[in-house]
Amino acid sequence: AQSVTQPDIHITVSEGASLELRCNYSYGATPYLFWYVQSPGQGLQLLLKYFSGDTLVQGIKGFEAEFKRSQSSFNLRKPSVHWSDAAEYFCAVAPVKAAGNKLTFGGGTRVLVKP
Amino acid sequence: EAGVTQSPTHLIKTRGQQVTLRCSPISGHTSVYWYQQALGLGLQFLLWYDEGEERNRGNFPPRFSGRQFPNYSSELNVNALELEDSALYLCASGHSGGVADTQYFGPGTRLTVL
Repeated sequence: AQSVTQPDIHITVSEGASLELRCNYSYGATPYLFWYVQSPGQGLQLLLKYFSGDTLVQGIKGFEAEFKRSQSSFNLRKPSVHWSDAAEYFCAVAPVKAAGNKLTFGGGTRVLVKP
Repeated sequence: EAGVTQSPTHLIKTRGQQVTLRCSPISGHTSVYWYQQALGLGLQFLLWYDEGEERNRGNFPPRFSGRQFPNYSSELNVNALELEDSALYLCASGHSGGVADTQYFGPGTRLTVL
């Protein structure tokens, strides 16, 4: 069965510093990959997605992610964090052959931004 | 373009009661997905509807059910509520329900079962 692991439950970063959130997946084939962000009490907002092609994907709010097939990873990065980036971040995968089309989510990483 | 909308925002029910949650997809989207986000359990897939049909179901008991209407809006029904049903219920919509379908989420309905 497919699974998604986000090894870091919490990350604290200073405003202006860089941020990297880790995501590893276990799946029979390369799935579709997504990063979502959830602010407190809110729904999920799509940051970026990878379906195929260039392994470095640009998203909204200055985020980017890099797909590494050899490491089964899809890490999210931002060069300079803003206080408004404090939120919970979820990595998700979906099967390529649309076997049910459901998203499988990682456990999330909560990001705290220090002034 | 309006996003996915859900109603109500919050609900408080007691054990054994029944609840109906509603979702309106983004205009032009035909697929609706439901997820449960319970404390300590993370985000779990519940149901997928496309073109009015239930296409896939997560590992939830039959008391979780739903339907999709001709205008593609959807309802999630939960019967015989249990305390562990307390969660944020998220609805998402997508274009086609086919391959490479990106899901866009609504703000959720917070259900508290007492």
